[in-house]
Amino acid sequence: DVKVTQSSRYLVKRTGEKVFLECVQDMDHENMFWYRQDPGLGLRLIYFSYDVKMKEKGDIPEGYSVSREKKERFSLILESASTNQTSMYLCASSTGLVGANVLTFGAGSRLTVL
Amino acid sequence: GENVEQHPSTLSVQEGDSAVIKCTYSDSASNYFPWYKQELGKRPQLIIDIRSNVGEKKDQRIAVTLNKTAKHFSLHITETQPEDSAVYFCAAPLSGYSTLTFGKGTMLLVSP
Repeated sequence: DVKVTQSSRYLVKRTGEKVFLECVQDMDHENMFWYRQDPGLGLRLIYFSYDVKMKEKGDIPEGYSVSREKKERFSLILESASTNQTSMYLCASSTGLVGANVLTFGAGSRLTVL
Repeated sequence: GENVEQHPSTLSVQEGDSAVIKCTYSDSASNYFPWYKQELGKRPQLIIDIRSNVGEKKDQRIAVTLNKTAKHFSLHITETQPEDSAVYFCAAPLSGYSTLTFGKGTMLLVSP
């Protein structure tokens, strides 16, 4: 019954490494999102995409980029990981209007940058 | 952008009591207000949502109320049970139908 799958649950990387976080959804949703979750800060939007090859910045895009080459896949890229990017990363998808419909979340990817 | 304030940050209740979590938002054009529940180690999941054309919505023991004039909405859980223990997030979109902005979350602990 898994609908949004994040490829890695736990990752440990070193400062300066390039990091790829992959997300795949099987619901044919148009919209996909990457959130970052930190204690006391809630869920903060990094980037989102409402169509293939389209991307829009969220609230905290600095230090991140994304790629959406296929409808079902949305990748988050950390070009040069830093310790302040240690966090839980949540992918989500939705259909229809981006701010008006249910988000289905993945299980999350916990990234530690040493 | 949208500012969503959520209170309290933590809430402890005894089993059977009611719990209320409140959120305020800044954009009067916002028109969709969901609540998500995240159990420990799990992903957030929608538990209830309300649109701006109604003032209240109920689903068994949970309800959401919306006051558009005051720009606040609340989650009400009655007859709380230990399995209600989780972090709850409210959210609201920027004006119109842009992306959701989440509150910082409320950790609800229900003691048996």
